[in-house]
Amino acid sequence: GQSLEQPSEVTAVEGAIVQINCTYQTSGFYGLSWYQQHDGGAPTFLSYNALDGLEETGRFSSFLSRSDSYGYLLLQELQMKDSASYFCAVSRNAGNMLTFGGGTRLMVKP
Amino acid sequence: DADVTQTPRNRITKTGKRIMLECSQTKGHDRMYWYRQDPGLGLQLIYYSFDVKDINKGEISDGYSVSRQAQAKFSLSLESAIPNQTALYFCATSGQGAQETQYFGPGTRLLVL
Repeated sequence: GQSLEQPSEVTAVEGAIVQINCTYQTSGFYGLSWYQQHDGGAPTFLSYNALDGLEETGRFSSFLSRSDSYGYLLLQELQMKDSASYFCAVSRNAGNMLTFGGGTRLMVKP
Repeated sequence: DADVTQTPRNRITKTGKRIMLECSQTKGHDRMYWYRQDPGLGLQLIYYSFDVKDINKGEISDGYSVSRQAQAKFSLSLESAIPNQTALYFCATSGQGAQETQYFGPGTRLLVL
C-alpha cells in the first residue's frame, strides 16, 4: 500500500520561513505534489516534483529526494493568508491518481 | 464562471436514502475524480474516470457508485446513505499524465442523519 507522513500542525510568525516535510512509502512512484487548502475551501495546486531537486515558484519552493522518499515544501516571507492546510500527494504509475497525506495545518501568527 | 462546479453545495439526508452528487467541468479534461475528506484529514479517492468509457474504483469505493454521463459530467451516488458517509466530497479534473494539476470543485458538504 501507500503511506505518507507529514506533521499535523506547524506554527510560525509572519515574515518567517517554514518547512513542511513529507515522507512517503509507495510502489510505482512518479511524482510528489503539494496542495493548499484554506478552511472551507477546495484544495489548490502549489507545486509538483518528479525529479530530485528544488522547484521554486515565488515565495514557495518544493524539494524532492527520490532516494530518501522525502520531500518538503518551503514557504518564505510568511503572510497571514498562508494560514491553511498543506497536503503532500504522490502520483503513481504514470497515471494521475493521487494519494494524499493527512495534511499539515499551518498557523501564521502576527 | 468556475471551471469545476458541484451541486448541491450542502445536503442533509437520512439513513437509507439514495442521493446523487453532481460534478460538471468546463476545462475540457478527460480525467475526473471523486474524493472524500473527513474533518482534519486528507482526501481519499473514491472513484476515477479517465474517459467516458473508463471508470475505476479508488481506495474507498464501497457504498458508492458513479456515472460518467459525458466528458464534462461525473456524478457520485450513495445508494443507501449511512451516517459514517457524512463528509466533504470533492470532484476534481485533470489532463492526462502524472504531472498534470488536479483542479478541484468547491465541494459538497453531506450530513447523513
